[in-house]
Amino acid sequence: EVQLQESGPGLVKPSQSLSLTCSVTGYSITSNYWGWIRKFPGNKMEWMGYISYSGSTSYNPSLKSRISITRDTSKNQFFLQLNSVTTEDTATYYCARWAYGYKGFDYWGQGVMVTVSS
Amino acid sequence: DIQMTQSPSSISVSLGDRFTITCRASQDIGNYLSWYQQKPEKSPKLMIYRATNLEDGVPSRFSGSRSGSDYSLTINSLESEDTGIYFCLQHKQYPFTFGSGTKLEIK
Repeated sequence: EVQLQESGPGLVKPSQSLSLTCSVTGYSITSNYWGWIRKFPGNKMEWMGYISYSGSTSYNPSLKSRISITRDTSKNQFFLQLNSVTTEDTATYYCARWAYGYKGFDYWGQGVMVTVSS
Repeated sequence: DIQMTQSPSSISVSLGDRFTITCRASQDIGNYLSWYQQKPEKSPKLMIYRATNLEDGVPSRFSGSRSGSDYSLTINSLESEDTGIYFCLQHKQYPFTFGSGTKLEIK
């Protein structure tokens, strides 16, 4: 069974970087696309970006140059780094697998709540 | 960016009733739309893909439809386990964008 699990600090100070790991089991990240999505307080959802099976990336322009998604295929993990965070980056962060056939995100992690506060 | 206008934002429905949620796309997205259910403290679950297709394992009381730029998720004969937040996602164009969510409660 495909499983995803996010990990990382739950508290980040303003202006610092947020770094999260998504560990995938049951499926290789060298197939499909793998995304990061966040849910803000109040339930607004935002697609942040993805890394593909080949390692190419695509990001939400709203995040401009603050975001980076990378991977370690040897550990079957992919990573999110978001720089220069503000309190507006407080959210629950999810990693998810993009299903073949333009179906949508078919497997999600449990999510990790990240608070940006001094 | 493509805006997805979702309605209603919340609703309370009686068991056994029929209920419909709608997302309206600001631009043409074809059938590149999926629907998700999220229960408290749980991750989202894919329910409908490409606007009208039921994901494996999803009860047949759920269905998706499209009329022009309006996309609907319908639940026939609501059951107690259907409570949660539902949202749509367009994946026709980057950046992918979500609807604002509908909170469904049982009356």
